[in-house]
Amino acid sequence: GAGVSQSPSNKVTEKGKDVELRCDPISGHTALYWYRQSLGQGLEFLIYFQGNSAPDKSGLPSDRFSAERTGGSVSTLTIQRTQQEDSAVYLCASSRTGAYNEQFFGPGTRLTVL
Amino acid sequence: AQKVTQAQTEISVVEKEDVTLDCVYETRDTTYYLFWYKQPPSGELVFLIRRNSFDEQNEISGRYSWNFQKSTSSFNFTITASQVVDSAVYFCALSEERNTGFQKLVFGTGTRLLVSP
Repeated sequence: GAGVSQSPSNKVTEKGKDVELRCDPISGHTALYWYRQSLGQGLEFLIYFQGNSAPDKSGLPSDRFSAERTGGSVSTLTIQRTQQEDSAVYLCASSRTGAYNEQFFGPGTRLTVL
Repeated sequence: AQKVTQAQTEISVVEKEDVTLDCVYETRDTTYYLFWYKQPPSGELVFLIRRNSFDEQNEISGRYSWNFQKSTSSFNFTITASQVVDSAVYFCALSEERNTGFQKLVFGTGTRLLVSP
């Protein structure tokens, strides 16, 4: 079946602009996660969705970052007033509910802020 | 607090050599899960294996094997007879049981494996 998909695959933007990153999880997966992968910080957890609610937003680095999920499916990560330090690969993953279930990752969106 | 340490930043081997990737973790929970993921040059993280804290049996899958030792808080990964296609970054990760069923993965910094012909 189809895996996790993300769009766009690459995004180049100017400092100060807003960007939206999209994630389509595997059908039937109720849990959805966003991570950020950058050279200096490794893989960092950003936010988790269970259905449409986000019980844990502790990883969002600032209030410029927000995310939503609709219909228990597609999720959008929005970064407002982008800064150069936001440049990274943003990864989305989905899984069945339960701490023991493996997460399936998408190919990521590479964001470059000039 | 949870922590995963992969002390080996990069390992280079020649094809057919065996190689072991080290992973040491820290957690206060008695119930937790350990994972290994592979990130090939294409960039997509691929799940390799999961282990729960109550199962210390070693596992073998083809050329891959994993050694989980609670006494040393280690979950090491061995590739036997390495191949060029094994070249990738390998991540070890840890998650703790949560009432919400939420799995927050804490990743190590990864080990880049380069297998040359």
